[in-house]
Amino acid sequence: DTAVSQTPKYLVTQMGNDKSIKCEQNLGHDTMYWYKQDSKKFLKIMFSYNNKELIINETVPNRFSPKSPDKAHLNLHINSLELGDSAVYFCASSSSEPDTQYFGPGTRLTVL
Amino acid sequence: GQNIDQPTEMTATEGAIVQINCTYQTSGFNGLFWYQQHAGEAPTFLSYNVLDGLEEKGRFSSFLSRSKGYSYLLLKELQMKDSASYLCAAYNFNKFYFGSGTKLNVKP
Repeated sequence: DTAVSQTPKYLVTQMGNDKSIKCEQNLGHDTMYWYKQDSKKFLKIMFSYNNKELIINETVPNRFSPKSPDKAHLNLHINSLELGDSAVYFCASSSSEPDTQYFGPGTRLTVL
Repeated sequence: GQNIDQPTEMTATEGAIVQINCTYQTSGFNGLFWYQQHAGEAPTFLSYNVLDGLEEKGRFSSFLSRSKGYSYLLLKELQMKDSASYLCAAYNFNKFYFGSGTKLNVKP
């Protein structure tokens, strides 16, 4: 069974469109995260959700909005996509007192 | 601000030992994580240090010095499959701050 899953794996879209990436974890973890990894492979945290509450909102544009319908899901919605949004987006989860962190397979977003 | 530094790239020979260093400066600190990331794949967990000292897990060991803001990952008996990027991340209450990663090339 997949611990952390994301859909879609690849997403190609035009500038200005709105898109969503879904994430689900079946580990019973309390905390979920979204990361952006750019072309230089730098992994930067975007959001963190703990028990359905946003506890971190790093300085990302408000075009990005995380939505958590329940503890097992953290979706990422992006409005008015820009060229600079092209990257790989990783979802991850951990317990509240993490001794590890599990990553999803990533979603490669390409904005044309 | 948060600052995590690692060497960009290293090369080592199959069967050898390699040490990948990481220095960090963060406003708060609860622990240091190391991850392995193969090209085109997600990061996978390798180790987690909270206290000073060495943690050993098979061929991989990780060391932490909180007073020096320093950690290293030691890989022994290198195998070709160890060619990957190695990311260190400083953890502070639900925040993981990643370094840019060290690309390790293992040669035959």
